[in-house]
Amino acid sequence: DVKVTQSSRYLVKRTGEKVFLECVQDMDHENMFWYRQDPGLGLRLIYFSYDVKMKEKGDIPEGYSVSREKKERFSLILESASTNQTSMYLCASSSLIRQGGAQYFGPGTRLLVL
Amino acid sequence: DQQVKQNSPSLSVQEGRISILNCDYTNSMFDYFLWYKKYPAEGPTFLISISSIKDKNEDGRFTVFLNKSAKHLSLHIVPSQPGDSAVYFCAALPGGTSYGKLTFGQGTILTVHP
Repeated sequence: DVKVTQSSRYLVKRTGEKVFLECVQDMDHENMFWYRQDPGLGLRLIYFSYDVKMKEKGDIPEGYSVSREKKERFSLILESASTNQTSMYLCASSSLIRQGGAQYFGPGTRLLVL
Repeated sequence: DQQVKQNSPSLSVQEGRISILNCDYTNSMFDYFLWYKKYPAEGPTFLISISSIKDKNEDGRFTVFLNKSAKHLSLHIVPSQPGDSAVYFCAALPGGTSYGKLTFGQGTILTVHP
């Protein structure tokens, strides 16, 4: 079974703080993704990575950065948190070679920025 | 530009009846389609997928139908159960080198009444 874990389930931060969200997968997947989910907007891709140290912008990268130093770990960084970044953040991983490219998600981090 | 659309924000069904969730897409480069189910405060769970070379895929109570000419797919759940109440997302994957980047619809909230 694929397991994707996220460092926190709930986080409360203040405007202007730097926020780190960590994601770890245990299935040796090449691809990792960060999404945010907001009501009525579905899942929107922030950044993704297809290899160590490789990253690509998704649809809404502004205000975010990422880091992938090891294959199993993908971090999302909010450089200076703002209230409009209050959301549910979801990490996922996938392998195009195995399992047909289906993405497997972590439990999510609900972030509140005050 | 919404390339994957779920036009029904919500669907209400009686237990034991059929649930039909619909999804339309515009990009003819998509060649693999997936359905995910999401409970509140959890990450999405992969349900079922279909390749563009098929028009039907079945897994237990879940069947996905693909109509390529209409650029339409649907998920049928028979019989529906109260535990199926969740948000359902369809997603599409283009062929070629896409690094497994999925495009998601906005989601449909399914409520199954006992």
